Amino acid sequence: AQSVAQPEDQVNVAEGNPLTVKCTYSVSGNPYLFWYVQYPNRGLQFLLKYITGDNLVKGSYGFEAEFNKSQTSFHLKKPSALVSDSALYFCAVRYYKLSFGAGTTVTVRA
Amino acid sequence: DTGVSQDPRHKITKRGQNVTFRCDPISEHNRLYWYRQTLGQGPEFLTYFQNEAQLEKSRLLSDRFSAERPKGSFSTLEIQRTEQGDSAMYLCASSIQGRKGEQFFGPGTRLTVL
Repeated sequence: AQSVAQPEDQVNVAEGNPLTVKCTYSVSGNPYLFWYVQYPNRGLQFLLKYITGDNLVKGSYGFEAEFNKSQTSFHLKKPSALVSDSALYFCAVRYYKLSFGAGTTVTVRA
Repeated sequence: DTGVSQDPRHKITKRGQNVTFRCDPISEHNRLYWYRQTLGQGPEFLTYFQNEAQLEKSRLLSDRFSAERPKGSFSTLEIQRTEQGDSAMYLCASSIQGRKGEQFFGPGTRLTVL
């Protein structure tokens, strides 16, 4: 079975500070990992994905994620957070369907 | 707009009524997925199509739920005899075939069953 876990329900950071949203995965075989962001009353927007290759993946809006096979993690990062980054973030693993984590609410305070 | 579209965006219905939602995927995408998202949870897979063929249905999809994609383009999700527990956001996504492609999501249909 493919699954991901997001250990933090909420992350709070000050604007300009680094932002990290954690995700760990459990898969058989090669993991295909994704990060999505959801703004209130909106659908999910794709941020980035890891398929193969470099462990550091760069995505939309200045986000990046680091794939760590030994720790089975795929943490989302942004060097300098913006208030507009406040949203709900989902990590997901894909076989054909996506299996999502429970989500992490990010609040960036001005 | 060439993204995934869903209609309606909001639906309020009374318990026991039938409802139908529509999803129009990105035109060149042959895979279409339905997910359900309840408050405070991540989306949960319901079913998916490759072209017009429905390839898998989650056990979450009770016999009151039916989905179709008759011509391999748009899809409909029907819920018969709605229950209050069906209240959720219903998300549609599409992708090209293959595990590597990301799924693009529509804005969702929020269903409220009174």
